[in-house]
Amino acid sequence: EPEVTQTPSHQVTQMGQEVILRCVPISNHLYFYWYRQILGQKVEFLVSFYNNEISEKSEIFDDQFSVERPDGSNFTLKIRSTKLEDSAMYFCASNRDGGYEQYFGPGTRLTVT
Amino acid sequence: AQRVTQPEKLLSVFKGAPVELKCNYSYSGSPELFWYVQYSRQRLQLLLRHISRESIKGFTADLNKGETSFHLKKPFAQEEDSAMYYCALSGSNTGNQFYFGTGTSLTVIP
Repeated sequence: EPEVTQTPSHQVTQMGQEVILRCVPISNHLYFYWYRQILGQKVEFLVSFYNNEISEKSEIFDDQFSVERPDGSNFTLKIRSTKLEDSAMYFCASNRDGGYEQYFGPGTRLTVT
Repeated sequence: AQRVTQPEKLLSVFKGAPVELKCNYSYSGSPELFWYVQYSRQRLQLLLRHISRESIKGFTADLNKGETSFHLKKPFAQEEDSAMYYCALSGSNTGNQFYFGTGTSLTVIP
């Protein structure tokens, strides 16, 4: 069964550095999402992406964040200048039709030191 | 504003006992409610959604609009039910966004 994959599984970076988190959605899916989960807190929506543009974004998704689909398979989340509070688990998700069932990746744990 | 509340962070029950994981929501409109589950070292996955009104792995959940609740229930808990459970909300007012609760960690004691 196809799955969403994410790399790396764990990323450690220094404050102020740029990071790129990578996701490969399920191949026939058209809608893509990023969520984050700070340790001990709830899963929070960051952004949704369809037809090569952002369709929704939350207040968390400020100018430090950007998303891109650089080719036909990858979907990336970039944080330009990481802050300590960006430390979290980042989940990618996708679905085919923008409906309610989203398929989640295993997550990337980002640690900012 | 949209909000999902799961009042219990931790819940322990004995194998064979009934289990109920509580979820309350706040939403102006007609919400879609879901339960997602995350087993140890696995990814988040959809357990069930209210519109399908189905039972998955023995779990059911009924949307109670009067009480704005969507509690997850199972009459006889199994050890393999031990996991993190997240209640989530979506709807026309939220676009594609899901709003998740903080999750309840269920432990089924053998």
